[in-house]
Amino acid sequence: RKEVEQDPGPFNVPEGATVAFNCTYSNSASQSFFWYRQDCRKEPKLLMSVYSSGNEDGRFTAQLNRASQYISLLIRDSKLSDSATYLCVVIFTGGGNKLTFGTGTQLKVEL
Amino acid sequence: SAVISQKPSRDICQRGTSLTIQCQVDSQVTMMFWYRQQPGQSLTLIATANQGSEATYESGFVIDKFPISRPNLTFSTLTVSNMSPEDSSIYLCSVADITSTDTQYFGPGTRLTVL
Repeated sequence: RKEVEQDPGPFNVPEGATVAFNCTYSNSASQSFFWYRQDCRKEPKLLMSVYSSGNEDGRFTAQLNRASQYISLLIRDSKLSDSATYLCVVIFTGGGNKLTFGTGTQLKVEL
Repeated sequence: SAVISQKPSRDICQRGTSLTIQCQVDSQVTMMFWYRQQPGQSLTLIATANQGSEATYESGFVIDKFPISRPNLTFSTLTVSNMSPEDSSIYLCSVADITSTDTQYFGPGTRLTVL
């Protein structure tokens, strides 16, 4: 079983739609969680950290469920520019600063 | 966030040769890392580049194949040695600072193709 699992997609949604991605992680001793965004042929860029209390940044909302070991990302009012691959990233306790990446979920927002 | 550059941005190499990739940061950073992203896959950490000492390698990666240098707090190199087509990948460096060690910023990557 992979340490961090995501549905690869692609998710094809119309502009303005709300879309949600989930990510599950295998190690309950996990300390930090992030969503990164990677555009085609570009480097990953930090989208947002995920806190236990949940957090929101504009149209983006991230949630963490430690009991079920999953992280979610909700995108409201999706834009064409949101089209990218969204990477779920976990730092496991005792792993130093090692980022463990999921394989990513591809989102395509269409007119 | 730090501005990170990598050289070369891409290269096509013959099997059996070696390529050294450079990573330059515009400010001093505590931690530097090297990742690999093979086609259609996510990122895998190769090693942590330690300033003034040997790099710390992840399982499956060895110093003879991926020697790393980090002479100061703004620069690191990764060499891919004795290349084979399986080494074709994107190689990315990332940095983190002691003030926020969980947050990493990535360079633009080096796209390597081995024939």
